[in-house]
Amino acid sequence: SQELEQSPQSLIVQEGKNLTINCTSSKTLYGLYWYKQKYGEGLIFLMMLQKGGEEKSHEKITAKLDEKKQQSSLHITASQPSHAGIYLCGADIGGAGGTSYGKLTFGQGTILTVHP
Amino acid sequence: NAGVMQNPRHLVRRRGQEARLRCSPMKGHSHVYWYRQLPEEGLKFMVYLQKENIIDESGMPKERFSAEFPKEGPSILRIQQVVRGDSAAYFCASSPLSGLYGYTFGSGTRLTVV
Repeated sequence: SQELEQSPQSLIVQEGKNLTINCTSSKTLYGLYWYKQKYGEGLIFLMMLQKGGEEKSHEKITAKLDEKKQQSSLHITASQPSHAGIYLCGADIGGAGGTSYGKLTFGQGTILTVHP
Repeated sequence: NAGVMQNPRHLVRRRGQEARLRCSPMKGHSHVYWYRQLPEEGLKFMVYLQKENIIDESGMPKERFSAEFPKEGPSILRIQQVVRGDSAAYFCASSPLSGLYGYTFGSGTRLTVV
């Protein structure tokens, strides 16, 4: 099983609709990073969460990390075609004695399609 | 301020040849990480380097793969005697201090082995 489960695997929405992508781990996360990837391109950094209960927003995207630091959600309000792409959550799930220092574990990704 | 620069963007190699992938971190970043994205698979950690040191190579295949980050110049991921299964997108990321300020990824090198 995946150490980091991302859901849904794909999502098709109509422009203007809200949507949520989830990222879940069975282990406590030392850091949670959301990225967006256009097909065939690199990863664009969206947000970083490190504290339990933390919530960050940028434009129409909000990311939250739960109090137990095992689950994160990415919420897009009033989606636009420009939001289409692959959303990846990456996490520091730690190693012996603590943080894994840069060894991020990634979810499988969520493919988002936004129809105009 | 240029981001993480990777070159080449696309690389085609015949089976048995060597592939060299380069990564120049963001200015001021001294930590470099290499990841591989195989078709239909997620992004997998390969190696973490600081200048002249390999910190964590737990994700590197045991044979044919090596990485370095010399005192001067870019980080190099080297794949010797490439096979078809090495075809993938290889991404480099950098950070100023491990994890504290996030990780910036490059655009990747897409390696195709024919």
